[in-house]
Amino acid sequence: DTEVTQTPKHLVMGMTNKKSLKCEQHMGHRAMYWYKQKAKKPPELMFVYSYEKLSINESVPSRFSPECPNSSLLNLHLHALQPEDSALYLCASSQGRGLGTYDTGELFFGEGSRLTVL
Amino acid sequence: QKEVEQDPGPLSVPEGAIVSLNCTYSNSAFQYFMWYRQYSRKGPELLMYTYSSGNKEDGRFTAQVDKSSKYISLFIRDSQPSDSATYLCAMTVDSGNTGKLIFGQGTTLQVKP
Repeated sequence: DTEVTQTPKHLVMGMTNKKSLKCEQHMGHRAMYWYKQKAKKPPELMFVYSYEKLSINESVPSRFSPECPNSSLLNLHLHALQPEDSALYLCASSQGRGLGTYDTGELFFGEGSRLTVL
Repeated sequence: QKEVEQDPGPLSVPEGAIVSLNCTYSNSAFQYFMWYRQYSRKGPELLMYTYSSGNKEDGRFTAQVDKSSKYISLFIRDSQPSDSATYLCAMTVDSGNTGKLIFGQGTTLQVKP
């Protein structure tokens, strides 16, 4: 079983709704990520948090708003989404670069939240 | 030209066959190489991780890296129907660029009983 837990597994929302995706890991990792994956495509990086600070935003539209309340939790707040935003949203974590640690980019993914925007 | 090229397949083999999955890349700065397995409608699962050129074996799986040719491979011996999945190669540089994995397109494998 994956050690990165995502909820909900499935989400259907209208274009005017506000919803959130949640992710939790207990591996002591200090870097957490949101990826978006469309059918038959590889995951695309959206955001990276390192030590609870946003370190990478891959020019993601503002209707996606990430939040990292602590080192174990990562949220993705969704507002005014478009049908083309329907996809599998994957959370991942890695050790994180810091004093005495070395991040090789080895990511551990959750099972994903499948989002459908009507 | 994409940074990482991977044949999307699909690849169909009989049970027990040896499977070879391959990726080529153009960025010589890549240092860390991974293979992920992704079952339908699930998240990617880390299968193999390698750093240097050479081979790494784990059960029926062998990962091979040839940095001089910018080529990586994943071999699956005695393939099973449960190996049917999409296999993604991924790689990253050591530049403080945490989390910027570059993925191949993924190869879909079907192992027929």
